[in-house]
Amino acid sequence: AQSVAQPEDQVNVAEGNPLTVKCTYSVSGNPYLFWYVQYPNRGLQFLLKYITGDNLVKGSYGFEAEFNKSQTSFHLKKPSALVSDSALYFCAVRDDSGAGSYQLTFGKGTKLSVIP
Amino acid sequence: GAVVSQHPSRVICKSGTSVKIECRSLDFQATTMFWYRQFPKKSLMLMATSNEGSKATYEQGVEKDKFLINHASLTLSTLTVTSAHPEDSSFYICSALGQLQETQYFGPGTRLLVL
Repeated sequence: AQSVAQPEDQVNVAEGNPLTVKCTYSVSGNPYLFWYVQYPNRGLQFLLKYITGDNLVKGSYGFEAEFNKSQTSFHLKKPSALVSDSALYFCAVRDDSGAGSYQLTFGKGTKLSVIP
Repeated sequence: GAVVSQHPSRVICKSGTSVKIECRSLDFQATTMFWYRQFPKKSLMLMATSNEGSKATYEQGVEKDKFLINHASLTLSTLTVTSAHPEDSSFYICSALGQLQETQYFGPGTRLLVL
């Protein structure tokens, strides 16, 4: 079974400050890890993913995430937050155990508010 | 690239009627698509996995006769909510699996309100 934990329901950060949205995961095989962002009444937009290779992954809109296997974490980061980054962020995981299922397991989401 | 559309974006219907929602991958082919339901301020709940040319796989607790899924082509999957009731009111989101079979790309969602 696979699971994702986003321990913070809400994160508040001042504009221009660095932001971090936390995510930890559990899978039985190798993880495929994803971050998505959702604006109100919209679908999810893909930000970045970790499949293999460098632990630091860079994605859209200046976001990056670091895969930490020992801590089973995949925290989302941005050096300087913008007000327009305010949205709901979802971490998701898939287990690449070769079973052929491409289903994602999502965290409950973290609401990011960037304060002007 | 990797754009997924949904139609309609919003629909209001009367109780007992059926509603069809379309999900299209606009610039890539998708053998696998997914249908999710999202309640207010909640995460996504996977309803079913739609595979082109075969029957959909439904998650436990999802009524396959109520939520009909058809994936007739490599770019189109449809979800039909049959005999809709007010409790079916929700935000329905589809996604399509990219051609590398790695990333799911999501549609903009359909807001369904059943009166």
